[in-house]
Amino acid sequence: GESVGLHLPTLSVQEGDNSIINCAYSNSASDYFIWYKQESGKGPQFIIDIRSNMDKRQGQRVTVLLNKTVKHLSLQIAATQPGDSAVYFCAERRSGGYQKVTFGIGTKLQVIP
Amino acid sequence: EAQVTQNPRYLITVTGKKLTVTCSQNMNHEYMSWYRQDPGLGLRQIYYSMNVEVTDKGDVPEGYKVSRKEKRNFPLILESPSPNQTSLYFCASSFSAQQRSYEQYFGPGTRLTVT
Repeated sequence: GESVGLHLPTLSVQEGDNSIINCAYSNSASDYFIWYKQESGKGPQFIIDIRSNMDKRQGQRVTVLLNKTVKHLSLQIAATQPGDSAVYFCAERRSGGYQKVTFGIGTKLQVIP
Repeated sequence: EAQVTQNPRYLITVTGKKLTVTCSQNMNHEYMSWYRQDPGLGLRQIYYSMNVEVTDKGDVPEGYKVSRKEKRNFPLILESPSPNQTSLYFCASSFSAQQRSYEQYFGPGTRLTVT
């Protein structure tokens, strides 16, 4: 069936470097793509979203890129900090009707001091 | 403080003993949802509610019940828990499905173990 997935289950990055977390999706009918961050022992927290008619959106230290041609989504974190260590989920919202949000399996980001 | 609360945070129970996990939000959100999180499977939706007295099944509803009698509360009921329902459960809420439904606010989670 249609699902949201991730390329890398674990990513280790040196503090200060940039991080790139990737996600592949298969549902062409989604109207929004979203990134969530889950720190250890906590619930997921919304980071940033991108509408399906955009290819790039920037937030504070984060950038999300959307490539609809290859159905690929990425989250870039600039100057990665120890506080960025967490599991990152990509998610998609299907357009029309109920507008269900479907989550991927997650990527663990480890920041090396 | 805007938040979603869940109780209990941790629960160990035995097979067949009915239990309820409560969820409450103070943001006047219309939309509420329950997820379970299992290693390697991410977050899977159990049930959702688009408003008071409006609920529907998510992807993995078997063995669960919900109710939405008040806007702020959305309890999850396990009538006869089984070991395969051992999991980490999250409640979430957001504004109406026609608006920013994808910006969900999550509770802190309930770790359930069924022996």
